[in-house]
Amino acid sequence: EAQVTQNPRYLITVTGKKLTVTCSQNMNHEYMSWYRQDPGLGLRQIYYSMNVEVTDKGDVPEGYKVSRKEKRNFPLILESPSPNQTSLYFCASSSLLRGARYGYTFGSGTRLTVV
Amino acid sequence: GEDVEQSLFLSVREGDSSVINCTYTDSSSTYLYWYKQEPGAGLQLLTYIFSNMDMKQDQRLTVLLNKKDKHLSLRIADTQTGDSAIYFCAAVTGGFKTIFGAGTRLFVKA
Repeated sequence: EAQVTQNPRYLITVTGKKLTVTCSQNMNHEYMSWYRQDPGLGLRQIYYSMNVEVTDKGDVPEGYKVSRKEKRNFPLILESPSPNQTSLYFCASSSLLRGARYGYTFGSGTRLTVV
Repeated sequence: GEDVEQSLFLSVREGDSSVINCTYTDSSSTYLYWYKQEPGAGLQLLTYIFSNMDMKQDQRLTVLLNKKDKHLSLRIADTQTGDSAIYFCAAVTGGFKTIFGAGTRLFVKA
């Protein structure tokens, strides 16, 4: 089954403790992206990647890092989480070759709480 | 910068039609989308419309695009309780970036 898999689904952590949220897709998509979803604000893009070793900042990149060492994986790293990073996070992927009409495939989300 | 706006809530009775509206700012957007998010799940692509189209119909879904006013709407005919969800309007901007609206929460009353 074609899918984007995120782990963990739920995470509670303390301020300053480094964490990684993993994202993996099995569709050979070139494009991968991280979004955060906050009430009333919709989805805001954190980082995106057009292909292996090619990453770029989205609209809200502060406090986050990403890497794209393999095509299928795009982990999101919070080096020193703070309470304002409490949010629902989504990983998404898309095929650049097939074109924009197919939109994104989303993971199921990671609900992060930083206390 | 580019923006997509939509109302936050809509309540309809089961069997009625629902119309969710959206406006966007980037006139060069090539594709516009509607995504559906059910509780506890990620977003799923419902339908899309290409910028040179005015209307697209897919079973109970009708998408209308007014490119002059940069207005997009999603009509759901014969709305069912299973249609209760958050609906996101989205637009592709320069490159491959997609901008999402804040989402419209649709409540369907039995």
